[in-house]
Parts: sequence; C-alpha cells; structure tokens
Amino acid sequence: QSALTQPASVSGSPGQSITISCTGTSSDVGGYNYVSWYQQHPGKAPKLMIYEVSNRPSGVSNRFSGSKSGNTASLTISGLQAEDEADYYCSSYTSSTHYVFGTGTKVTVL
Amino acid sequence: QLQLQESGPGLVKPSETLSLTCTVSGGSISSSSYYWGWIRQPPGKGLEWIGSIYYSGSTYYNPSLKSRVTISVDTSKNQFSLKLSSVTAADTAVYYCARRTVTHIFDYWGQGTLVTVSS
Repeated sequence: QSALTQPASVSGSPGQSITISCTGTSSDVGGYNYVSWYQQHPGKAPKLMIYEVSNRPSGVSNRFSGSKSGNTASLTISGLQAEDEADYYCSSYTSSTHYVFGTGTKVTVL
Repeated sequence: QLQLQESGPGLVKPSETLSLTCTVSGGSISSSSYYWGWIRQPPGKGLEWIGSIYYSGSTYYNPSLKSRVTISVDTSKNQFSLKLSSVTAADTAVYYCARRTVTHIFDYWGQGTLVTVSS
C-alpha cells in the first residue's frame, strides 16, 4: 500500500485561499468517506482538522474545509493566516492495510 | 480532557526489541467507542500507521510490520503497549500513541517520543 499523494509544498499570501490535494485509489480515498486531515507544527503532534471528508471538530476554525471527488480529497484553507504555516497530512481508511497517510504538504505563508 | 503519554527507552540497539507504553488519563481505555493505536514518523518524513487494539484485546496491524509488531492492553492500568522486534536503523522515528474512533478518526494524540536505533 503506497502513501496517498500530496503536493510537497503549497504557498499563499495572508488572506488568500489555498487547496491541498490528496490522491489515492478506489481502495482508500475513493472507496470510503473516511478521509481525515491533520495539521502538524514543527516538533508537535498532529492535530485533527477535518474528519469524514468534510466535517470539522469542535474548536477548528471554519476557514478549514474539506471535500472529495472520486479518488482525490482536498483541504482548502481560506483567509490564510501566519499560524496556518505547518505540515498537513491526509489519511484514509483502506481495505488493504487499514489506514494510509498522505506524503505530506508543507504550507508556507508568504 | 483526555491525555495520552508515551514512555520508554529513547535508544535501542539494532536487532533488539523496541518497547513503548502509552498511558491514558482523563478517560477510560475500556470505552466501547474507541480503539487505541500507534503511529510513527521517521525524522523529516511522513506518518505511518503501525497498528491498533481494542480494550478486549483485538488487534489490527499494518501488514508491512505485522511479523514484528505486538500491541497489548492493560485495562487495570489504563495503558497499552507496543513491541517491535528485530529493529534496524529504518525503525528510528518519533512514535505516537493515539485514540481512534469507530469511524476511523485519530482524534487524540500523545506528544510523541523519539526512538533511535543505534549501537
């Protein structure tokens, strides 16, 4: 089971919107609505930002939103802020290995 | 507020067994709604799911590690543990313990502990 494919880096200016893609297969992203997104600041544990494709946990800003089309899930951050600079990982349930994570995307706020 | 805390040696010799324990506080590990798991992250790299356990003892492992991994639970101590045998330098990573919901969400994580495999 290969990792889900994410762009290595995405950048944007404060206030802008950016979108991070997460591409898998019909055995993971495309087959289940169990896609999650995690934010990780340097030296810190990952933090859940989106679950079940598009749901936000309590306390997570509504600037973060998720969606899915076919085998590709997406995380959009609107109104980009300096504090959003971090690594982002997608994750999906998979029929073969139970769970697979994405390759990770470094978000830079210019 | 639920908290998870990893503990164990930070240095393990090649070919030996890595052993870590996760202590859960602020909630019961015997809840029927959750599983408990281990995830690792090699330095500068991405996340890899290792395996999960239910309070009853049912286990689920990543096939790529299954032959070397054992996860166990001690409900009396509200702890669960990881053993990874025959380690090599490739097993050097930050190891996280996490709670997993029945809908496949890793919602609470420990702070992580770095384990280095070196002689």
